[in-house]
Amino acid sequence: DTEVTQTPKHLVMGMTNKKSLKCEQHMGHRAMYWYKQKAKKPPELMFVYSYEKLSINESVPSRFSPECPNSSLLNLHLHALQPEDSALYLCASSHLGGNNEQFFGPGTRLTVL
Amino acid sequence: SQKIEQNSEALNIQEGKTATLTCNYTNYSPAYLQWYRQDPGRGPVFLLLIRENEKEKRKERLKVTFDTTLKQSLFHITASQPADSATYLCALEINSNYQLIWGAGTKLIIKP
Repeated sequence: DTEVTQTPKHLVMGMTNKKSLKCEQHMGHRAMYWYKQKAKKPPELMFVYSYEKLSINESVPSRFSPECPNSSLLNLHLHALQPEDSALYLCASSHLGGNNEQFFGPGTRLTVL
Repeated sequence: SQKIEQNSEALNIQEGKTATLTCNYTNYSPAYLQWYRQDPGRGPVFLLLIRENEKEKRKERLKVTFDTTLKQSLFHITASQPADSATYLCALEINSNYQLIWGAGTKLIIKP
């Protein structure tokens, strides 16, 4: 299985809502990532988990809260988002160490009203 | 700070010709450079990786070169097809913390 799955595909939420994005991989990768991507821009790294521990947090606002329950799952909890947070949220995974490609999921298209 | 530039926002190529995309970087000595393809509304898909001590890498109709003196990578698609139309992103891996630095991408349009 060489696939990263993400749910939901689309999400519309109000600024007072709480929602979660989910990501799953079964490739045995021990590094997992959350990216945010705006239209016509490259992916912007938000968080990196290695061995289920948060190793990189790119100064992301606290209204985004990541969680890695086990080596296959990655969640992104959303609370009190702003309209400017509307974007494509991508999950990726890879083996640890250098020289490793990242496998991306299809993304969740998030719209904050 | 690290800067990555990809040659143009969009590139139009006639079907059957070779498409050449450029990735230039400054200030860092990347250990690896990767190329990805991204279709609208989808996640990037890995294409090729080239190491700093490699000059060229090939995969089917794709070829990547890496010139650490010029701080440049070229990505070639030979015998281009309309199905090759997509945005192509280069990404540098500069240290061992799994973080990639991404270029803005080049939108490639192959016209029949």
